[in-house]
Amino acid sequence: QSALTQPASVSGSPGQSITISCTGSTRDIGSDNTVSWYQQHPGKVPRLIIYEVSERPSGVSNRFSGSKSGNTASLTISGLQTEDEADYYCCSYVDIDTWVFGGGTKLTVL
Amino acid sequence: QVQLVESGGGVVQPGRALTISCTASGFTFGSYGMQWVRQAPGKGLEWVAFISYDGSERAYADSVKGRFTVSRHDSKNTVYLQMNGLRNEDTAVYFCARVRTSYYFDPWGQGTLVTVSS
Repeated sequence: QSALTQPASVSGSPGQSITISCTGSTRDIGSDNTVSWYQQHPGKVPRLIIYEVSERPSGVSNRFSGSKSGNTASLTISGLQTEDEADYYCCSYVDIDTWVFGGGTKLTVL
Repeated sequence: QVQLVESGGGVVQPGRALTISCTASGFTFGSYGMQWVRQAPGKGLEWVAFISYDGSERAYADSVKGRFTVSRHDSKNTVYLQMNGLRNEDTAVYFCARVRTSYYFDPWGQGTLVTVSS
């Protein structure tokens, strides 16, 4: 159950776009479309922002989008806002009722 | 509204046991799988355990397999995590979450802190 690989940190200026990558293997990300992404502000509860690779729950801004190519999933945030500054985690279903998270990426909005 | 509330966290000595709970409201609890995820201080999220909607399937992370047991009591809308043989590295905030059909977690509870220390 090796963690998915995310960059430790990314940064951007307000209004810019950033992309966070999440690399796994053929056993997890590459096997189906069960990648989800969670946003967590300091001291807060994780919040679902993307599921099934690219689907957005109701109430989540359309500035958040997800995609996948092979064994790598990506989260793109466009039109960066200061409130986007948070930690972001990818997650993938593996098999036989197990999941794996990425190590998390700290987004800094400069 | 859909809500999950964890309880039972606290300070426990290494090697001892502790059971934490997660009580659900606002949805048909018996129709959903549930899971536990933990977060050590200053660290990332780690998936811990899953129990299916009917309790027939359970799965665990390698780091807790053989020590932790997940169970549910549908008449109480509650899922439990029994933690035996606790280690210092089990210190974390433990979150419960509802598992949706497409294998994602929503919503999450507010978490309960478990501190393993002598």
